[in-house]
Amino acid sequence: QKEVEQDPGPLSVPEGAIVSLNCTYSNSAFQYFMWYRQYSRKGPELLMYTYSSGNKEDGRFTAQVDKSSKYISLFIRDSQPSDSATYLCAPGDGNQFYFGTGTSLTVIP
Amino acid sequence: DSGVTQTPKHLITATGQRVTLRCSPRSGDLSVYWYQQSLDQGLQFLIQYYNGEERAKGNILERFSAQQFPDLHSELNLSSLELGDSALYFCASSVRSDTQYFGPGTRLTVL
Repeated sequence: QKEVEQDPGPLSVPEGAIVSLNCTYSNSAFQYFMWYRQYSRKGPELLMYTYSSGNKEDGRFTAQVDKSSKYISLFIRDSQPSDSATYLCAPGDGNQFYFGTGTSLTVIP
Repeated sequence: DSGVTQTPKHLITATGQRVTLRCSPRSGDLSVYWYQQSLDQGLQFLIQYYNGEERAKGNILERFSAQQFPDLHSELNLSSLELGDSALYFCASSVRSDTQYFGPGTRLTVL
Protein backbone atom coordinates (compact mmCIF):
# COMPACT_ATOMS: atom_id res chain seq x y z
CA GLN A 1 0.00 0.00 0.00
CA LYS A 2 1.34 3.41 -0.93
CA GLU A 3 1.91 5.91 1.85
CA VAL A 4 -0.17 8.52 0.04
CA GLU A 5 -2.61 8.40 -2.85
CA GLN A 6 -3.58 11.40 -4.93
CA ASP A 7 -5.81 11.61 -7.97
CA PRO A 8 -3.55 12.81 -10.81
CA GLY A 9 -6.37 14.51 -12.69
CA PRO A 10 -6.08 16.45 -14.89
CA LEU A 11 -8.62 18.84 -13.47
CA SER A 12 -9.95 21.69 -15.60
CA VAL A 13 -12.20 24.40 -14.15
CA PRO A 14 -13.47 27.82 -15.24
CA GLU A 15 -12.04 30.94 -13.61
CA GLY A 16 -13.81 31.75 -10.35
CA ALA A 17 -14.69 28.14 -9.53
CA ILE A 18 -14.05 26.48 -6.20
CA VAL A 19 -11.47 23.72 -6.54
CA SER A 20 -11.16 20.71 -4.25
CA LEU A 21 -7.95 18.68 -4.27
CA ASN A 22 -7.68 15.56 -2.15
CA CYS A 23 -5.30 12.93 -0.86
CA THR A 24 -5.55 9.87 1.31
CA TYR A 25 -2.72 8.47 3.41
CA SER A 26 -2.11 5.23 5.23
CA ASN A 27 0.13 5.99 8.22
CA SER A 28 -1.81 7.08 11.30
CA ALA A 29 1.42 8.44 12.81
CA PHE A 30 1.52 11.32 10.35
CA GLN A 31 1.00 14.64 12.10
CA TYR A 32 2.21 17.12 9.48
CA PHE A 33 0.32 17.74 6.28
CA MET A 34 1.88 19.87 3.58
CA TRP A 35 0.64 21.16 0.25
CA TYR A 36 3.08 22.16 -2.46
CA ARG A 37 2.47 23.85 -5.79
CA GLN A 38 4.65 23.06 -8.78
CA TYR A 39 4.69 25.05 -12.00
CA SER A 40 5.86 23.43 -15.24
CA ARG A 41 8.29 20.94 -13.65
CA LYS A 42 10.01 23.66 -11.65
CA GLY A 43 10.84 23.14 -8.01
CA PRO A 44 7.81 22.61 -5.76
CA GLU A 45 6.98 25.56 -3.52
CA LEU A 46 5.38 25.21 -0.13
CA LEU A 47 1.81 26.51 -0.25
CA MET A 48 0.62 25.76 3.25
CA TYR A 49 0.74 23.18 5.97
CA THR A 50 -1.31 22.02 8.91
CA TYR A 51 -0.38 20.18 12.04
CA SER A 52 -2.70 17.44 13.29
CA SER A 53 -6.40 17.71 12.45
CA GLY A 54 -8.50 20.69 11.55
CA ASN A 55 -8.61 23.52 9.05
CA LYS A 56 -6.20 26.25 8.13
CA GLU A 57 -7.03 29.19 5.93
CA ASP A 58 -4.66 31.44 4.00
CA GLY A 59 -6.29 33.86 1.63
CA ARG A 60 -8.13 31.89 -1.06
CA PHE A 61 -6.64 28.59 0.13
CA THR A 62 -7.99 26.31 2.86
CA ALA A 63 -6.28 23.11 3.98
CA GLN A 64 -8.34 20.53 5.80
CA VAL A 65 -7.24 17.37 7.62
CA ASP A 66 -9.45 14.54 8.82
CA LYS A 67 -7.16 12.17 10.69
CA SER A 68 -9.98 9.75 11.50
CA SER A 69 -10.42 8.97 7.82
CA LYS A 70 -6.81 9.77 6.82
CA TYR A 71 -8.06 12.28 4.29
CA ILE A 72 -6.55 15.65 3.46
CA SER A 73 -7.96 18.36 1.24
CA LEU A 74 -6.98 21.66 -0.28
CA PHE A 75 -9.71 24.07 -1.35
CA ILE A 76 -9.08 26.99 -3.67
CA ARG A 77 -11.75 29.68 -3.78
CA ASP A 78 -12.21 32.10 -6.68
CA SER A 79 -9.68 30.17 -8.74
CA GLN A 80 -7.46 32.18 -11.09
CA PRO A 81 -5.58 31.22 -14.27
CA SER A 82 -2.38 31.75 -12.27
CA ASP A 83 -3.44 28.84 -10.05
CA SER A 84 -2.86 26.49 -13.00
CA ALA A 85 -0.18 24.15 -11.72
CA THR A 86 0.35 20.72 -10.23
CA TYR A 87 -0.54 20.43 -6.54
CA LEU A 88 1.23 17.87 -4.38
CA CYS A 89 0.17 16.78 -0.94
CA ALA A 90 2.89 15.61 1.44
CA PRO A 91 1.92 14.09 4.77
CA GLY A 92 4.66 13.09 7.15
CA ASP A 93 5.83 12.50 10.68
CA GLY A 94 7.97 15.61 10.92
CA ASN A 95 11.17 13.90 9.86
CA GLN A 96 10.17 12.38 6.55
CA PHE A 97 7.45 13.42 4.14
CA TYR A 98 5.76 11.35 1.48
CA PHE A 99 4.68 13.16 -1.63
CA GLY A 100 1.63 12.35 -3.67
CA THR A 101 2.01 12.12 -7.43
CA GLY A 102 0.30 15.50 -7.80
CA THR A 103 -2.96 16.73 -9.30
CA SER A 104 -2.67 18.82 -12.45
CA LEU A 105 -5.03 21.80 -12.37
CA THR A 106 -5.91 24.12 -15.25
CA VAL A 107 -8.04 27.21 -14.63
CA ILE A 108 -9.60 28.44 -17.85
CA PRO A 109 -10.10 32.22 -18.22
CA ASP B 1 13.46 32.23 -5.91
CA SER B 2 13.73 29.81 -2.99
CA GLY B 3 17.39 30.56 -2.27
CA VAL B 4 18.41 26.96 -3.02
CA THR B 5 20.70 26.57 -6.01
CA GLN B 6 21.36 23.47 -8.04
CA THR B 7 23.87 22.79 -10.78
CA PRO B 8 23.85 21.84 -13.53
CA LYS B 9 20.36 22.61 -14.84
CA HIS B 10 20.54 19.93 -17.48
CA LEU B 11 22.73 16.88 -17.84
CA ILE B 12 22.82 14.45 -20.74
CA THR B 13 24.94 11.35 -20.42
CA ALA B 14 25.15 7.73 -21.50
CA THR B 15 24.28 4.50 -19.75
CA GLY B 16 26.99 3.22 -17.47
CA GLN B 17 28.37 6.67 -16.75
CA ARG B 18 28.68 8.51 -13.44
CA VAL B 19 27.48 12.05 -12.70
CA THR B 20 27.52 14.43 -9.76
CA LEU B 21 24.73 16.85 -8.96
CA ARG B 22 25.39 19.79 -6.69
CA CYS B 23 23.17 21.68 -4.29
CA SER B 24 23.75 24.80 -2.21
CA PRO B 25 21.15 25.26 0.54
CA ARG B 26 19.62 28.51 1.70
CA SER B 27 21.81 30.50 4.01
CA GLY B 28 21.45 29.16 7.54
CA ASP B 29 19.70 25.92 6.59
CA LEU B 30 21.45 22.88 8.03
CA SER B 31 19.30 20.18 6.42
CA VAL B 32 19.52 19.12 2.80
CA TYR B 33 17.14 16.67 1.14
CA TRP B 34 17.42 14.97 -2.24
CA TYR B 35 14.37 13.90 -4.27
CA GLN B 36 13.89 12.19 -7.61
CA GLN B 37 10.86 13.08 -9.73
CA SER B 38 9.89 10.97 -12.70
CA LEU B 39 6.66 11.08 -14.68
CA ASP B 40 5.31 7.78 -13.40
CA GLN B 41 6.68 7.80 -9.83
CA GLY B 42 6.07 11.31 -8.61
CA LEU B 43 8.42 12.90 -6.11
CA GLN B 44 10.48 10.25 -4.31
CA PHE B 45 12.54 11.04 -1.23
CA LEU B 46 16.11 9.79 -1.58
CA ILE B 47 18.15 10.97 1.39
CA GLN B 48 18.51 13.70 4.01
CA TYR B 49 21.62 15.21 5.56
CA TYR B 50 21.75 17.41 8.62
CA ASN B 51 24.90 19.42 9.30
CA GLY B 52 27.09 16.91 7.51
CA GLU B 53 25.53 13.75 8.91
CA GLU B 54 23.09 11.41 7.21
CA ARG B 55 19.72 11.83 8.95
CA ALA B 56 17.22 9.78 6.94
CA LYS B 57 17.25 7.46 3.98
CA GLY B 58 14.44 6.86 1.54
CA ASN B 59 14.27 4.95 -1.70
CA ILE B 60 17.87 5.54 -2.67
CA LEU B 61 19.55 2.94 -4.85
CA GLU B 62 22.94 1.50 -3.89
CA ARG B 63 24.34 3.03 -7.10
CA PHE B 64 23.51 6.45 -5.68
CA SER B 65 25.32 8.19 -2.86
CA ALA B 66 25.36 11.62 -1.33
CA GLN B 67 27.32 13.72 1.08
CA GLN B 68 27.13 17.09 2.75
CA PHE B 69 30.29 19.10 3.12
CA PRO B 70 31.42 21.40 5.97
CA ASP B 71 30.20 24.45 4.06
CA LEU B 72 26.77 22.67 3.96
CA HIS B 73 26.60 22.23 0.22
CA SER B 74 25.67 18.74 -0.87
CA GLU B 75 26.43 16.46 -3.79
CA LEU B 76 24.45 13.54 -5.12
CA ASN B 77 26.51 10.99 -7.02
CA LEU B 78 24.79 8.69 -9.48
CA SER B 79 26.84 5.84 -10.96
CA SER B 80 26.35 3.00 -13.44
CA LEU B 81 23.53 5.04 -14.89
CA GLU B 82 20.56 3.33 -16.48
CA LEU B 83 17.86 4.65 -18.80
CA GLY B 84 15.41 4.54 -15.93
CA ASP B 85 17.49 7.03 -13.94
CA SER B 86 16.39 9.79 -16.31
CA ALA B 87 14.41 12.18 -14.13
CA LEU B 88 14.36 15.54 -12.43
CA TYR B 89 16.47 15.60 -9.29
CA PHE B 90 15.53 18.17 -6.68
CA CYS B 91 17.38 19.35 -3.66
CA ALA B 92 15.56 21.00 -0.78
CA SER B 93 16.84 22.66 2.35
CA SER B 94 15.25 23.57 5.63
CA VAL B 95 15.77 24.80 9.13
CA ARG B 96 12.77 22.77 10.29
CA SER B 97 11.78 19.61 8.45
CA ASP B 98 8.20 20.76 7.99
CA THR B 99 9.17 23.70 5.78
CA GLN B 100 11.40 22.56 2.97
CA TYR B 101 12.46 24.93 0.22
CA PHE B 102 13.15 23.33 -3.13
CA GLY B 103 15.75 24.24 -5.69
CA PRO B 104 15.02 24.50 -9.43
CA GLY B 105 16.16 20.94 -10.08
CA THR B 106 18.60 19.17 -12.38
CA ARG B 107 17.13 17.41 -15.39
CA LEU B 108 19.10 14.24 -16.06
CA THR B 109 18.76 12.44 -19.37
CA VAL B 110 20.45 9.07 -19.78
CA LEU B 111 20.77 7.93 -23.38
